[in-house]
Amino acid sequence: SQQGEEDPQALSIQEGENATMNCSYKTSINNLQWYRQNSGRGLVHLILIRSNEREKHSGRLRVTLDTSKKSSSLLITASRAADTASYFCVYRLMDSNYQLIWGAGTKLIIKP
Amino acid sequence: NAGVTQTPKFQVLKTGQSMTLQCAQDMNHNSMYWYRQDPGMGLRLIYYSASEGTTDKGEVPNGYNVSRLNKREFSLRLESAAPSQTSVYFCASSLRGGEDGYTFGSGTRLTVV
Repeated sequence: SQQGEEDPQALSIQEGENATMNCSYKTSINNLQWYRQNSGRGLVHLILIRSNEREKHSGRLRVTLDTSKKSSSLLITASRAADTASYFCVYRLMDSNYQLIWGAGTKLIIKP
Repeated sequence: NAGVTQTPKFQVLKTGQSMTLQCAQDMNHNSMYWYRQDPGMGLRLIYYSASEGTTDKGEVPNGYNVSRLNKREFSLRLESAAPSQTSVYFCASSLRGGEDGYTFGSGTRLTVV
């Protein structure tokens, strides 16, 4: 299976703390994307990082990509209750135009 | 609001019944996709349409058919529903084959009894 793997599967932190989620993959990729899903519905695209990029920022989000280790991380700083959701790492294979590989996700809970 | 619209949001079918899930996008995207999401798993691609007039199988196409009716609409049909098709179905679209991210509909929760 080429399914990506997120780590941890679940994460519970206090509001205001930082949350870090990791993703590993097995093959060469074109780009890697992170999505958020609230309550089993509504997937939202958060950020895309290309294979020739090492780090990208968007608001409170910071994504890193290490192609030598085939891994990526998503950091959410100063977490809020509204960040409670599942986060998915998604990547596009180098030799595929349309096939995205999805991990099983990290379930993040922000405690007030 | 611009985006991807899926109908219906919920559906219960009896084994052997057929139904069509509808999807429409108003962002002038070229590519459209149908995914299913099962508990504890990531999304799996059922079918996709790279552009109007073309459709291709994804990872789990068995038991499904699709129609790219025009640039806006992409429907998914279950000809003879089975309990294994109980899942949440998502339609998505992208401008350039996912190169710039996907926009998802809100999903259809389908139960086959």
